[in-house]
Amino acid sequence: GAGVSQSPSNKVTEKGKDVELRCDPISGHTALYWYRQRLGQGLEFLIYFQGNSAPDKSGLPSDRFSAERTGESVSTLTIQRTQQEDSAVYLCASSFLAEGEQFFGPGTRLTVL
Amino acid sequence: GDSVTQMEGPVTLSEEAFLTINCTYTATGYPSLFWYVQYPGEGLQLLLKATKADDKGSNKGFEATYRKETTSFHLEKGSVQVSDSAVYFCALSDRGSQGNLIFGKGTKLSVKP
Repeated sequence: GAGVSQSPSNKVTEKGKDVELRCDPISGHTALYWYRQRLGQGLEFLIYFQGNSAPDKSGLPSDRFSAERTGESVSTLTIQRTQQEDSAVYLCASSFLAEGEQFFGPGTRLTVL
Repeated sequence: GDSVTQMEGPVTLSEEAFLTINCTYTATGYPSLFWYVQYPGEGLQLLLKATKADDKGSNKGFEATYRKETTSFHLEKGSVQVSDSAVYFCALSDRGSQGNLIFGKGTKLSVKP
């Protein structure tokens, strides 16, 4: 059906507040990825979910970042006590299998004032 | 660690000009290589890929050849159109990393009529 969707599309928050970003992958896709794109930079890998396996959190920049995924459905990325350097576009992607073609959502633009 | 370096933009061309966007990579294993494109206001989408040395990926008139000897995956198109204006990202996926993509910083292409 539809592609990967993300919400909200834009989020402005104050430094120190917590934010939650949502990703709805393509139905049936077992793998889900979160990336961050800072202004003028390439995408940085944050976290990877594959089915019911333990997630690969190796890309999370600090313990303020966490993510959850229930089964093979929705994922949420939570950033606690946001800092200005967290300002970026957060992209979610899903694929049918690990190492398969990744389909990207439109991203959430986060601005921390 | 693995990395991708691509030529910095922006690149401005006239319609029907020849396009080359250089991309080189560093990887310890045998990565798959990708070009992703982000059209204005749209999400990131896969343009083409190559999974082993000497493979040529092609799509929409774009081509890139996986060159192991020069660790390169340069993107080319013989005659660009205004509709090709977008940001192009070179990326790799190390088979040992469960499909996580490592991206270059992106090259913005503007094609003038």
